[in-house]
Amino acid sequence: ETGVTQTPRHLVMGMTNKKSLKCEQHLGHNAMYWYKQSAKKPLELMFVYSLEERVENNSVPSRFSPECPNSSHLFLHLHTLQPEDSALYLCASSQVGPDPLGYTFGSGTRLTVV
Amino acid sequence: EDKVVQSPLSLVVHEGDTVTLNCSYEVTNFRSLLWYKQEKKAPTFLFMLTSSGIEKKSGRLSSILDKKELFSILNITATQTGDSAVYLCAAPNNRKLIWGLGTSLAVNP
Repeated sequence: ETGVTQTPRHLVMGMTNKKSLKCEQHLGHNAMYWYKQSAKKPLELMFVYSLEERVENNSVPSRFSPECPNSSHLFLHLHTLQPEDSALYLCASSQVGPDPLGYTFGSGTRLTVV
Repeated sequence: EDKVVQSPLSLVVHEGDTVTLNCSYEVTNFRSLLWYKQEKKAPTFLFMLTSSGIEKKSGRLSSILDKKELFSILNITATQTGDSAVYLCAAPNNRKLIWGLGTSLAVNP
């Protein structure tokens, strides 16, 4: 484990389902991120929470809804997804500051939408 | 538009070979460049480079940054099958990390 824990590891859901991805960090970081990783594409930043406030939302469809109840926990709520949303969803955390060190990533959730 | 470009996209070598992975960048307000190794899922942090010409080393891996020519290289000497992974390069601008596509390295026995 890297200090960032994601659950579940794998998820298969139908297009009408509602599910949530969970991320927890034990590093005392003050920023958390959701990334989407699809084949043959760079990592795509979806959402950023800094000090529990959402500071970035990169034109993500409303069927993805993030929640950050505190600095250690981050959720991604999913509903009425499309097959093209199938991807690896990675959570990361970092310490925001003038010289930020690299992110620490979780192991990801492999999502398949059928 | 800010971008990070990695080359090659994929590489197949034999154990014991030395490989050099490339990362070029065009990033607003460049401060640092990061290298990650992604085996199955979680990218794991390798190096952060901020100063030009200073090599960072960890075992058989080393990396150096050239801020004049806007690129970095990651060297792996005496490769092992456990080095097989995707190697990602990223650089932060004012808002977020800009990621490259990665280099997929396969080390055959």
